[in-house]
Amino acid sequence: DADVTQTPRNRITKTGKRIMLECSQTKGHDRMYWYRQDPGLGLRLIYYSFDVKDINKGEISDGYSVSRQAQAKFSLSLESAIPNQTALYFCATSDWDNSYEQYFGPGTRLTVT
Amino acid sequence: QKEVEQNSGPLSVPEGAIASLNCTYSDRGSQSFFWYRQYSGKSPELIMFIYSNGDKEDGRFTAQLNKASQYVSLLIRDSQPSDSATYLCAVNIGKLIFGQGTELSVKP
Repeated sequence: DADVTQTPRNRITKTGKRIMLECSQTKGHDRMYWYRQDPGLGLRLIYYSFDVKDINKGEISDGYSVSRQAQAKFSLSLESAIPNQTALYFCATSDWDNSYEQYFGPGTRLTVT
Repeated sequence: QKEVEQNSGPLSVPEGAIASLNCTYSDRGSQSFFWYRQYSGKSPELIMFIYSNGDKEDGRFTAQLNKASQYVSLLIRDSQPSDSATYLCAVNIGKLIFGQGTELSVKP
């Protein structure tokens, strides 16, 4: 089984809908991250969490919110989806003592019409 | 100016050649630098990291860091078609900031 899983893997939704992307990990890592990837723009950090009670905004948090339900679970929500949120979303994890070796989930391809 | 910049490519090299991938960064306080490889349709995976000025070698891969010039590079020797991927440079400024990636194509 994969160490970092994301659900759903693909999602098409309409403008204005609320959508949640979920991430689970079995690596036992404390730190979790949400990124989005757009062609030509690389990976951009949306939110990150260093433990269950710690949530931090990244480069592009507007229009997104997150919830860290447990050490192993980190969810990303789009409260009212808009077309420019169409992207590939990755969850990643890292250990507290090697924070920058990040392990990525398989990604969720989100399309907002 | 973007915090981390890479040439987006595509960079095309023949099989067996050396592929050179470059990255510049703007924050002089950056302490550690990472190269991730991402195959088409897949998630990024870490292939190299470097903290100190100079070269770091791992098999066919060599990472080079020059903090004075704010420059980090990745050399791939004896390039293989299986090296064809997008290579992402990432810089630690308290969190990871990624460049836009360089697409590498190795032609048989």
